[in-house]
Amino acid sequence: AQKVTQAQTEISVVEKEDVTLDCVYETRDTTYYLFWYKQPPSGELVFLIRRNSFDEQNEISGRYSWNFQKSTSSFNFTITASQVVDSAVYFCALSETGGFKTIFGAGTRLFVKA
Amino acid sequence: NAGVTQTPKFRILKIGQSMTLQCTQDMNHNYMYWYRQDPGMGLKLIYYSVGAGITDKGEVPNGYNVSRSTTEDFPLRLELAAPSQTSVYFCASSWAGGKDIQYFGAGTRLSVL
Repeated sequence: AQKVTQAQTEISVVEKEDVTLDCVYETRDTTYYLFWYKQPPSGELVFLIRRNSFDEQNEISGRYSWNFQKSTSSFNFTITASQVVDSAVYFCALSETGGFKTIFGAGTRLFVKA
Repeated sequence: NAGVTQTPKFRILKIGQSMTLQCTQDMNHNYMYWYRQDPGMGLKLIYYSVGAGITDKGEVPNGYNVSRSTTEDFPLRLELAAPSQTSVYFCASSWAGGKDIQYFGAGTRLSVL
C-alpha cells in the first residue's frame, strides 16, 4: 500500500534561516512519481515539483532544492534563506505509474517570522 | 484562462440538508478529482473521474455522489449533510492521471451545523 509520512507537523523559523521539510514514502511499485505542493494562506494548492522514480538527481530552483533518495525512500525539500512569503503548508505526495490516484501526506505547516 | 473554478467558496448547511459543490475546468483535462481536507489530515480523495461518463470511488466516498456528463464539469453532491462532512473541499484536474501535475481550485469551506 502507498503511504506518505510528513513527520513534522509545524516548523517555525526566523527569516533567512534555512529549513528542510522531510518526506518519507512507502510503495511496492518500482516506478512512481513524487510531488511537492504548496498551500499558502489563500488556500489554493500550487504545484512545486515532480520527480519520477528513475531520476534521483537532486534539483535546485532558486532558493528551493529537493533531495530524492530511493535508498531511504525520502524526498526532502529545503528552502534556503527563508522568507515570510514562504509561510504555508507544504504537502508531499506519491502516485504510482499507471495509477489514477495520488496519496498526500498530512502536510507540514511552515511559519517564517520576520 | 481560469483553470479550475469552484463554487461556492463558503457554505453553512444544517444537518440533513443537501447541496452540490460545483467544479469546472477549462484546460480540457480528462482527469478530475474531489478531495476533502481536514485539519492535520492532508487531502483525502473522495471521488475521481477519468473522463466524461466515468467516475470511481476514492478513499472516503460515503455520503457523497458525483457525475461527469461533460469534460469540463465534475459536481459533488452531498445528499444528507452530517457534521462529519464539515471540511474544506478541493476540486482538481490533470491531463494524464496520477503521474501528472494536478491543478487545484480555490476550495469550498463547508460547515454542517
